[in-house]
Amino acid sequence: DAKTTQPPSMDCAEGRAANLPCNHSTISGNEYVYWYRQIHSQGPQYIIHGLKNNETNEMASLIITEDRKSSTLILPHATLRDTAVYYCIAISGRSGGGADGLTFGKGTHLIIQP
Amino acid sequence: DTEVTQTPKHLVMGMTNKKSLKCEQHMGHRAMYWYKQKAKKPPELMFVYSYEKLSINESVPSRFSPECPNSSLLNLHLHALQPEDSALYLCARTGAPLPNTEAFFGQGTRLTVV
Repeated sequence: DAKTTQPPSMDCAEGRAANLPCNHSTISGNEYVYWYRQIHSQGPQYIIHGLKNNETNEMASLIITEDRKSSTLILPHATLRDTAVYYCIAISGRSGGGADGLTFGKGTHLIIQP
Repeated sequence: DTEVTQTPKHLVMGMTNKKSLKCEQHMGHRAMYWYKQKAKKPPELMFVYSYEKLSINESVPSRFSPECPNSSLLNLHLHALQPEDSALYLCARTGAPLPNTEAFFGQGTRLTVV
């Protein structure tokens, strides 16, 4: 699975859009980009994932560059409850669709300021 | 019901004790996972069960012994642990092979070895 690089921390004002970047320059064609977040002392929570196209759900939007070497997670109207560590993960299944597990990097600690 | 329930929430055990962590879910699963998370670090994969069979052991010491008695239950048996094994232990499930599926995590068991 490709290595991902994220800034260690970011601040965002409450009510504004939070844009979290992720670099995955060695990503291969069959690797998906996943975003999870972990609020302090809780289990990680799935946010969104994508392969090539931009994706949107009720929580966030995922923008993947055309060359797939980077992506941005957008929380459109950040609230204090969005303060968490955000993990960007690139993953492909091994041949045969084996269950491999997620490999977490260090993530970005997003702090929403009132 | 996407809930993954882990018990107990907190556990303090001595180095000579034997204890077990329990993870339960009722959605059925393609795979179930144990992760270990030290303070201020990302989760690290320990074990993967695929269709109730152990498929990945990430070189975990034998003092950690996983068990998957049925499709709803995953246990982690602990014996002769060391203080450095103190951590948050997380269980997760996926309903389909990775990638292109989301993983659901429990809230974890916070283990302290004294």
